[in-house]
Amino acid sequence: DQQVKQNSPSLSVQEGRISILNCDYTNSMFDYFLWYKKYPAEGPTFLISISSIKDKNEDGRFTVFLNKSAKHLSLHIVPSQPGDSAVYFCAADLSNSGGSNYKLTFGKGTLLTVNP
Amino acid sequence: ETGVTQSPTHLIKTRGQQVTLRCSSQSGHNTVSWYQQALGQGPQFIFQYYREEENGRGNFPPRFSGLQFPNYSSELNVNALELDDSALYLCASSRAVLSYNEQFFGPGTRLTVL
Repeated sequence: DQQVKQNSPSLSVQEGRISILNCDYTNSMFDYFLWYKKYPAEGPTFLISISSIKDKNEDGRFTVFLNKSAKHLSLHIVPSQPGDSAVYFCAADLSNSGGSNYKLTFGKGTLLTVNP
Repeated sequence: ETGVTQSPTHLIKTRGQQVTLRCSSQSGHNTVSWYQQALGQGPQFIFQYYREEENGRGNFPPRFSGLQFPNYSSELNVNALELDDSALYLCASSRAVLSYNEQFFGPGTRLTVL
């Protein structure tokens, strides 16, 4: 039973255009959502997060949108760069009294390829 | 800061054997979480250690066990290996109740069970 789903195994975009990666979740108890980026032979690297009390969080070229009623979040990368090519994981957490719990539930990942 | 390191990088075992994987935490971090990433899947939470005590466990059988040492390094032990245990094993270190951008993953140990 997958509680966090990334239904697109791969996405290909042109350099300079927008990349939109999608994620759905089923557990309404999740209250923190994260995106990680993973290069081959490296561990996942934290990219951006959003609390369930917000609907948008922005950090430079990366913006995460959260739609709680639809149990859906998305990561927008604008503009996309070839160095963004990696596997992107969506993850969810249950906060521990307002602090990070670090017991993450991950999706299967989406391989993003940004073509020059 | 030395980052999170894991050893060995790769490992091949046969069914029924036992394996120990090691993780050295980021300096100053007192929490270690272990994940299993099977091929084509996302990482799956195995368990977490906080100050040498198990602090939560995912849906993994008891033959998956762990330790955290006073220096906060950690071991993952798997007994009676099965073919489905073949995966990338990731550890992540953090300090309790800090933000997610201060949790760091190691590069993983690739375990193959034949």
